[in-house]
Amino acid sequence: EDQVTQSPEALRLQEGESSSLNCSYTVSGLRGLFWYRQDPGKGPEFLFTLYSAGEEKEKERLKATLTKKESFLHITAPKPEDSATYLCAVQAPDSGYALNFGKGTSLLVTP
Amino acid sequence: SQTIHQWPATLVQPVGSPLSLECTVEGTSNPNLYWYRQAAGRGLQLLFYSVGIGQISSEVPQNLSASRPQDRQFILSSKKLLLSDSGFYLCAWSVPRLAGGPDTQYFGPGTRLTVL
Repeated sequence: EDQVTQSPEALRLQEGESSSLNCSYTVSGLRGLFWYRQDPGKGPEFLFTLYSAGEEKEKERLKATLTKKESFLHITAPKPEDSATYLCAVQAPDSGYALNFGKGTSLLVTP
Repeated sequence: SQTIHQWPATLVQPVGSPLSLECTVEGTSNPNLYWYRQAAGRGLQLLFYSVGIGQISSEVPQNLSASRPQDRQFILSSKKLLLSDSGFYLCAWSVPRLAGGPDTQYFGPGTRLTVL
């Protein structure tokens, strides 16, 4: 069965303290891996799509990387406005259109 | 640019009452459309998807149904709500993908449903 595990469940950082979030996955083939940001009471906001091992994508203070078994979301010099829940999802060839989501990492960045 | 709307934003309904949630997408044609549910402490779960008008596929058995009466309109319905239907309902859209390619989905603002 396809599984997506995110760690840590929660992370507290001081402003400017860089760190990484992990997303481990087991799928029979990978069609795509996706990162989203979700603020309380709102829908997930798309961040990145990764497709093949070795791929990297950046957006402002965020950088996503992909290997054959996991993805990292690196946050460089975070600011309080980066506080949110970060969701990882995978899509496999045999899962049709469904995105299989992890439970997320809740990030709090304090001033 | 593309925009996705959902309404209502919040809804409180008694058990056994009907449900209708609406989703519309602007700025794109022939999108794939999706309904997800996010329950407390659980990940998002795909309920229905549609690749065209009148074409609905169900991912999980339940007392909910979906319809797509127009190209950019997606409706989630129920004849009789259960307590277990409470949750955060999210509509999403994507551009029909190339064979074998990733299917990036963009989410709406969501509807918070509480069944009492």
